[in-house]
Amino acid sequence: NAGVTQTPKFQVLKTGQSMTLQCAQDMNHNSMYWYRQDPGMGLRLIYYSASEGTTDKGEVPNGYNVSRLNKREFSLRLESAAPSQTSVYFCASSEQGTAYGYTFGSGTRLTVV
Amino acid sequence: QKEVEQNSGPLSVPEGAIASLNCTYSDRGSQSFFWYRQYSGKSPELIMSIYSNGDKEDGRFTAQLNKASQYVSLLIRDSQPSDSATYLCAAFAYSGAGSYQLTFGKGTKLSVIP
Repeated sequence: NAGVTQTPKFQVLKTGQSMTLQCAQDMNHNSMYWYRQDPGMGLRLIYYSASEGTTDKGEVPNGYNVSRLNKREFSLRLESAAPSQTSVYFCASSEQGTAYGYTFGSGTRLTVV
Repeated sequence: QKEVEQNSGPLSVPEGAIASLNCTYSDRGSQSFFWYRQYSGKSPELIMSIYSNGDKEDGRFTAQLNKASQYVSLLIRDSQPSDSATYLCAAFAYSGAGSYQLTFGKGTKLSVIP
């Protein structure tokens, strides 16, 4: 079982470049999430999609956009990368409205220089 | 704003001892609670969930919940060096617009000394 798959695993960008982080889940989950994790800051929610066709801002949405392409896929786009966006990004999925916890992807380590 | 608080540690325990990890949460509407283990450089992995007051045991792990005190804990018995990781506490609650979300604490780093 693949679970939640994120690509790429590592990326180095120059300031001002754009890129899209991809996430796909094969568990038929309704809800998907994007988090960033920085030392001492914990996991911070960037955007989430409670169900296919909906997206909402989380705690730290500035500088990011998302697309819920279909039930399986949820992408995160950085339009103009900044050094402050250097972080580890995690995608997660869950059943909507239930309390079974989230399943996380393996993460993308992004460095913006 | 919903908050989940954890002592950042590091918490050091000798091999074979009981490790006790604690967490408090601010939203009284939180319905369920989770403990995730995160090894360095890896993604969070769900290890325990608890929904009602009291204790829930799974192998060497026991989760404890006290909703009146808004307190959650995780006990690890017979701690092993392989338990060395950061442990994240999370609370699940309604966040508006028909959506539920997990709010994570910043994690407690546990080191088990051989």
